[in-house]
Formats: sequence, structure tokens, C-alpha cells
Amino acid sequence: ETGVTQTPRHLVMGMTNKKSLKCEQHLGHNAMYWYKQSAKKPLELMFVYNFKEQTENNSVPSRFSPECPNSSHLFLHLHTLQPEDSALYLCASSSRGAAANSPLHFGNGTRLTVT
Amino acid sequence: GQSLEQPSEVTAVEGAIVQINCTYQTSGFYGLSWYQQHDGGAPTFLSYNALDGLEETGRFSSFLSRSDSYGYLLLQELQMKDSASYFCAVRGQAGTALIFGKGTTLSVSS
Repeated sequence: ETGVTQTPRHLVMGMTNKKSLKCEQHLGHNAMYWYKQSAKKPLELMFVYNFKEQTENNSVPSRFSPECPNSSHLFLHLHTLQPEDSALYLCASSSRGAAANSPLHFGNGTRLTVT
Repeated sequence: GQSLEQPSEVTAVEGAIVQINCTYQTSGFYGLSWYQQHDGGAPTFLSYNALDGLEETGRFSSFLSRSDSYGYLLLQELQMKDSASYFCAVRGQAGTALIFGKGTTLSVSS
């Protein structure tokens, strides 16, 4: 158990579906992140939230829509995805905001398959 | 842009020492971090270097040379459980999140 919980662990969805990934952190952190991990590629930063405010959007397509209702919860809403969006989506959190050099604490990820 | 380079695979035997190198290109530099990820698991933080030199934490050490834009992770007394992927990561601009390398898969055999 990592202190950062992601649900679901696995998700299969069609290209016309709408689904959401959920992340919850129990560490009292105030920065939360979405990363995408594909085979043979580096972890790609998608979004950053500091104190519930989005501070980074790394040129992510609009079919991915993040939501951060409070410092403990982060969602990634998915719609009209493409097969190349199939990947492991990792949520992370850190203390003292994203700018500080505090380590990232990752969840176990959601393995997404788009058919 | 920002980029990091590290070897894709390294193999070693139990008890050996392995060094995983990382070179980076960033517009600025705010520290080099290392993370470990076991197959099917979450990446976990190993070490952080902001200044030049060696940082030691048990069997693992991390080194940084800012003038060479280079660092490495040194793993000693290798154990089977050290088989995992190892990622270097940098923060290249103030106020931004970490950017990761592609990772090095370490396989330890008996």
C-alpha cells in the first residue's frame, strides 16, 4: 500500500466511451500529478495541480480532462480516446508543492486499454 | 527542450556492483533524482542530488556532476530483489514538475 490509491487498476474502454480515473492520496500532500507511462517511452508528465490549482498542462489533448476538487483527490476524465492512448496512467503526489524538491509518491497506476 | 539519456538494459549477478548512468540536457537545473519501479508496481523514490558529489544510502549511492550534466546510480551487493527499472529524473525549470528518462531495466541473476 503506497499512500496513493488509484482506481480502477485496469480499464478497457471503447473509443466512444467516457470514463474517469480516480486518485486519492492519504499523505497530506498539496501537489498532485498525472503521468502517462507507455512501453519503451519515458514517463510523460500530463498535468500538475498545486494547492488544487492546475499549474502545468504538458500539451495534453483535450480528450483528457483533469479535475482536482481538493488536495486529496485527483481525477482524469477520458472521452473519445484513441488506441494509442492505451498506457499505464500514474498518479503522484508531493509535499510543499510541485516546485519544491520533495519526492514524488506514486500510486500503482491504472492500466488503460482502448479498443 | 529537455531530455535525459540512460541505458535501456543492464544485467548483473548477485553480489556484484552496477552503475547506471544518466546524462541530461535542460535549460536550467534543479536537481537529479532516481526512482525504482518493480514490474507492475509504483515508482518509488531512491535518491536526490542537488549538488556535485556522492550521496550514499545503504547499498545505493547516487553521484552528480553538474559541469558534465551527468549522474549515476550505484548499486552494491546486488540482490535478486533489485531487479527492476530505474529512472533518472530532473527538474529543468523552477516551479515545474519532474521530467523522467526512459528507464534502465536491471536484471539480477543468481
